[in-house]
Amino acid sequence: SQQGEEDPQALSIQEGENATMNCSYKTSINNLQWYRQNSGRGLVHLILIRSNEREKHSGRLRVTLDTSKKSSSLLITASRAADTASYFCATANSGTYKYIFGTGTRLKVLA
Amino acid sequence: NAGVTQTPKFQVLKTGQSMTLQCAQDMNHEYMSWYRQDPGMGLRLIHYSVGAGITDQGEVPNGYNVSRSTTEDFPLRLLSAAPSQTSVYFCASRGFGTGDSGNTIYFGEGSWLTVV
Repeated sequence: SQQGEEDPQALSIQEGENATMNCSYKTSINNLQWYRQNSGRGLVHLILIRSNEREKHSGRLRVTLDTSKKSSSLLITASRAADTASYFCATANSGTYKYIFGTGTRLKVLA
Repeated sequence: NAGVTQTPKFQVLKTGQSMTLQCAQDMNHEYMSWYRQDPGMGLRLIHYSVGAGITDQGEVPNGYNVSRSTTEDFPLRLLSAAPSQTSVYFCASRGFGTGDSGNTIYFGEGSWLTVV
């Protein structure tokens, strides 16, 4: 079964609005990563948050991690049409390199 | 610096045929892996390797073989293709360094496989 599950499965917003997507996972982790996939392309790393961090920022991205709830959220502020893509979280059980990806959130930003 | 290179980009196979998807990385990464991506299923881990001569199974290994004779290459072999193996396949790699960049997974551009 999937280690990470994102929700919502799909999200459609207007340009300039904020987009929030969530990820839940099942076991202890060292870090959680978010990736972006444009249609027909490979995944690209966005941001990593370690298990001892609660919040992290990178440009218009803000990631939070709640290890007690085994969940993370990715916030994209002031979204642009170019942010249209699928977003995935990835985790590996502590002590392993078996990286498992969630089912992803498909974000559509309308111009 | 080419990163992770996959070939072929597109392939059509007949049921029962075998083939090898090639993956090469030039970043001297110890960790390499193969995923398949199906609509609504996200990415599922097929096999992975933490170094030359070391491989292990992922979530969906049946019907696939891998080997890791060099650090650079990690080919994925389909032994007897089935229509259920129609998918997009992604190869990925990462190093074992510290810091965020050391944990980043780099992906190839994907191989589209259709089994008829």
